[in-house]
Amino acid sequence: GAVVSQHPSWVICKSGTSVKIECRSLDFQATTMFWYRQFPKQSLMLMATSNEGSKATYEQGVEKDKFLINHASLTLSTLTVTSAHPEDSSFYICSSGTSGRAVYNEQFFGPGTRLTVL
Amino acid sequence: ELKVEQNPLFLSMQEGKNYTIYCNYSTTSDRLYWYRQDPGKSLESLFVLLSNGAVKQEGRLMASLDTKARLSTLHITAAVHDLSATYFCAVRSSGGSNYKLTFGKGTLLTVNP
Repeated sequence: GAVVSQHPSWVICKSGTSVKIECRSLDFQATTMFWYRQFPKQSLMLMATSNEGSKATYEQGVEKDKFLINHASLTLSTLTVTSAHPEDSSFYICSSGTSGRAVYNEQFFGPGTRLTVL
Repeated sequence: ELKVEQNPLFLSMQEGKNYTIYCNYSTTSDRLYWYRQDPGKSLESLFVLLSNGAVKQEGRLMASLDTKARLSTLHITAAVHDLSATYFCAVRSSGGSNYKLTFGKGTLLTVNP
């Protein structure tokens, strides 16, 4: 199956700093990427959907100026948490799919990035 | 707005027993997924159910889909400790081009010796 990687796998940062998380599709071209956030013992919540070369679509309640998403290539999407605060501490998971594979409803999930903001 | 409800949210069972996890969803959908998540890990895809009456089995897990009732079940047969994990169902929104998934809250399964 398709492989999606995330980097870093975990990060600890100070409050007020910005953190960038990368999501790469390693063996296919991802026209669409999804970013999810998962708080402890909760489900995955979709934050935003990004299509290569266009602006991301954010879900209701997600601040687009705080969570900057860039999907500049078919193999890389980045999520930048700007001015991070302790309440942003969470497990961030990306998934990616192609327009072709989407017909079969496959999203390929990355391994996740655990962010801890002190 | 698509809503997905799973129950139970917590399930503690003994090895060797059978049980079923239920997943109800609120609007028409054409795809339903089951995932497994181990602590600290991302999602592992278990099943994709594409049509009404679909049934898929892998080992001790069997998933089924009833699109008319908007219900999917994940049946566990003769549970073993290795099945302890959180199980999520997710439903794809019909229409649109981005195929968003809406997840249930998850079922934390603990299999005791």
